Amino acid sequence: AQRVTQPEKLLSVFKGAPVELKCNYSYSGSPELFWYVQYSRQRLQLLLRHISRESIKGFTADLNKGETSFHLKKPFAQEEDSAMYYCALTDRGSTLGRLYFGRGTQLTVWP
Amino acid sequence: NAGVTQTPKFRVLKTGQSMTLLCAQDMNHEYMYWYRQDPGMGLRLIHYSVGEGTTAKGEVPDGYNVSRLKKQNFLLGLESAAPSQTSVYFCATGQITGELFFGEGSRLTVL
Repeated sequence: AQRVTQPEKLLSVFKGAPVELKCNYSYSGSPELFWYVQYSRQRLQLLLRHISRESIKGFTADLNKGETSFHLKKPFAQEEDSAMYYCALTDRGSTLGRLYFGRGTQLTVWP
Repeated sequence: NAGVTQTPKFRVLKTGQSMTLLCAQDMNHEYMYWYRQDPGMGLRLIHYSVGEGTTAKGEVPDGYNVSRLKKQNFLLGLESAAPSQTSVYFCATGQITGELFFGEGSRLTVL
């Protein structure tokens, strides 16, 4: 059963425009949600996690338990934001530390 | 401090050949994971380990074996490679907190 759904494979915006990458999840346990990013020719790295409630590189994401969503937002996209973004989920009640990933959204920010 | 290192980074195999991918970490993490990344499929967990001497199956374990004889190393083996195993393989390490640290990836082509 797909636990994490990213409905958009590709997303394109112009520089300076707002951007929202969608993530919905389905999980009955105690989920913790993450966004990971993979820039061209670089390794995957953590962008942010919902429990920290931080803003990283201008991105924010709010966990909406009612809508089971964890959308990633940035008010003004930059060209350097172009990358593959993965939403991921882990069960806080599990000792396995496993992450379940969505299929990813490729964001392109045009100049 | 190299973090997570994967070798080799590129490999071309013929159908039926065998090979081993090595993941080495110097972060003293208990948890180690092997994922494969395919276009449109995101990252799928192959096998993982929650400590030295332990291994467990992930979502797509068929055709792969793993070993964790030392805490710092996690080996992924393909006994008889198939074209369907053409992919980019990522090793990751972490603790129970859910944040994973990834290697740079190993691109495998099976002809």
